[in-house]
Amino acid sequence: GNSVTQMEGPVTLSEEAFLTINCTYTATGYPSLFWYVQYPGEGLQLLLKATKADDKGSNKGFEATYRKETTSFHLEKGSVQVSDSAVYFCALTSSQGGSEKLVFGKGTKLTVNP
Amino acid sequence: DAGVTQSPTHLIKTRGQQVTLRCSPKSGHDTVSWYQQALGQGPQFIFQYYEEEERQRGNFPDRFSGHQFPNYSSELNVNALLLGDSALYLCASSLNHYGYTFGSGTRLTVV
Repeated sequence: GNSVTQMEGPVTLSEEAFLTINCTYTATGYPSLFWYVQYPGEGLQLLLKATKADDKGSNKGFEATYRKETTSFHLEKGSVQVSDSAVYFCALTSSQGGSEKLVFGKGTKLTVNP
Repeated sequence: DAGVTQSPTHLIKTRGQQVTLRCSPKSGHDTVSWYQQALGQGPQFIFQYYEEEERQRGNFPDRFSGHQFPNYSSELNVNALLLGDSALYLCASSLNHYGYTFGSGTRLTVV
């Protein structure tokens, strides 16, 4: 079945450090890939997405490139801020029977210290 | 433009009881999906409703049931609550199952 594997957390960085959160996936067909962010006590917010191979999603300084050859969608940011502290989820959509459901990884908690 | 609204925000129930959670989708959205997020885990798909019918279901027992109303709002019902049902329940709406918007969730605690 379809699945997403994220790097284990938690991740702790200093402000302005470089961030990478690894994500690999297993899927049949051609899934769309997503990164969602969850701030404490809140629901999920879409951070970025990519719908086909070699697409790059970007938002708020975060980037991720859909790599079909390595089945990866790693999240990167060049300079993190304290406000980026949150849990990040990699996800894919799996089409079945005319509907699509999201399949999530377990999440990676990021803490950025001043 | 209101996003996805879920109620209540927090709920405490006793084992064996039944619970109903509610979701109002984002304006213009016609599809509602429900997810269960256990502490420290990623959300797990429960089911999806479109045109008032369950279109797809995840690996959850029949104790979990739902409904979608003509105005696209939805309810999630859980019968015979177990301690393991304690989780954050997230509702996500979309237009024709594309482009999900999530609510802030209902935190259910079973004691």
